[in-house]
Amino acid sequence: ILNVEQSPQSLHVQEGDSTNFTCSFPSSNFYALHWYRWETAKSPEALFVMTLNGDEKKKGRISATLNTKEGYSYLYIKGSQPEDSATYLCALMAGSYQLTFGKGTKLSVIP
Amino acid sequence: DVKVTQSSRYLVKRTGEKVFLECVQDMDHENMFWYRQDPGLGLRLIYFSYDVKMKEKGDIPEGYSVSREKKERFSLILESASTNQTSMYLCASSPRDRGNTDTQYFGPGTRLTVL
Repeated sequence: ILNVEQSPQSLHVQEGDSTNFTCSFPSSNFYALHWYRWETAKSPEALFVMTLNGDEKKKGRISATLNTKEGYSYLYIKGSQPEDSATYLCALMAGSYQLTFGKGTKLSVIP
Repeated sequence: DVKVTQSSRYLVKRTGEKVFLECVQDMDHENMFWYRQDPGLGLRLIYFSYDVKMKEKGDIPEGYSVSREKKERFSLILESASTNQTSMYLCASSPRDRGNTDTQYFGPGTRLTVL
């Protein structure tokens, strides 16, 4: 079983603050790194799929970077809003169709 | 829009009962997955299927079986439910067209309680 780690486990930020969190993974057999957002009482929703070392993806105020050589990805949220409150999951695809998920980072944005 | 539906949002069963969790997707996806999510743990893969009648064990298949008789439907079966199977169960699907980097689309989850 692959070890995908996310940090921090949870964080609270004020509305308007920018924040970032980390996903670490074993760099061998890397195929892709997925980021999902999971809001309470909703389905996990895909944010990004990243495949190339040095990849940088952006969706509105959220962006992500990828370093496959050292085995980490960062997710950034600029100017956090209350609607950004969710658990952010990263997942490694290292072969076949199977994703291995981290435990998530739970973000709470305080108005 | 991709839609993945699960038969129940909440389910309460008794120890020893046979439990069926149903998942249906409407996007003609080849791949379907069953996960469970428990506090303090990530989403853990129970079983997945990459075609009709095909199944592969995930990380925690013990105590579960699956059925995929039709492309759109993937069922998770608890042959004899136990209290340690109390959990949130999520179904997901993904296409196979573009290789194995495709996004998975999730259902809303079924919160199962086994008494």
